[in-house]
Amino acid sequence: AQTVTQSQPEMSVQEAETVTLSCTYDTSESDYYLFWYKQPPSRQMILVIRQEAYKQQNATENRFSVNFQKAAKSFSLKISDSQLGDAAMYFCAYRSAQIAGNQFYFGTGTSLTVIP
Amino acid sequence: DSGVTQTPKHLITATGQRVTLRCSPRSGDLSVYWYQQSLDQGLQFLIQYYNGEERAKGNILERFSAQQFPDLHSELNLSSLELGDSALYFCASSYGDAPNEKLFFGSGTQLSVL
Repeated sequence: AQTVTQSQPEMSVQEAETVTLSCTYDTSESDYYLFWYKQPPSRQMILVIRQEAYKQQNATENRFSVNFQKAAKSFSLKISDSQLGDAAMYFCAYRSAQIAGNQFYFGTGTSLTVIP
Repeated sequence: DSGVTQTPKHLITATGQRVTLRCSPRSGDLSVYWYQQSLDQGLQFLIQYYNGEERAKGNILERFSAQQFPDLHSELNLSSLELGDSALYFCASSYGDAPNEKLFFGSGTQLSVL
């Protein structure tokens, strides 16, 4: 089974600064999808950004961008101009591109604190 | 608001009991997924249904069962509850079951087994 590792249980960042959350994964597959989900105190899981493994270009969504290194099996999330509303638990997730049993595998999460 | 509705939001029950968690997917979504989130296990995939049929199975215990009804809502049944079943149970939905589809999560049902 695929594994997703988030080695930073907690991170903090000053408001308006930039922070990078790390994620590595282990897979023998060549085609897959990677996601970052945010879980604020409201508990709801919200999709932040998605990356297709076959695309070399890093995905970007406004202040959120990723650094996808396929050979290194690394998928970090960069949050620029951090805002108080970015404070949340962030989960990295992997999903196989195969149709059958294509469940998500989640990391253990990184708790992000934004300091005013 | 993701459009995925889960009820109840909180559930407190005793060991040995049986509970049912309900999920209504976003309008038009055919796939429903169930996840369990606990402090020690993180987010664990339980089961997926697509248009009424079971599509994928994860780490779901035999004491747990689920189904998706013709109106596409889904129920997760948990029986012979144990203390360790206390967790946040999420339902998510997507239009299809292609691997690139985004999942939209509900707010979860917090289950406490005393």
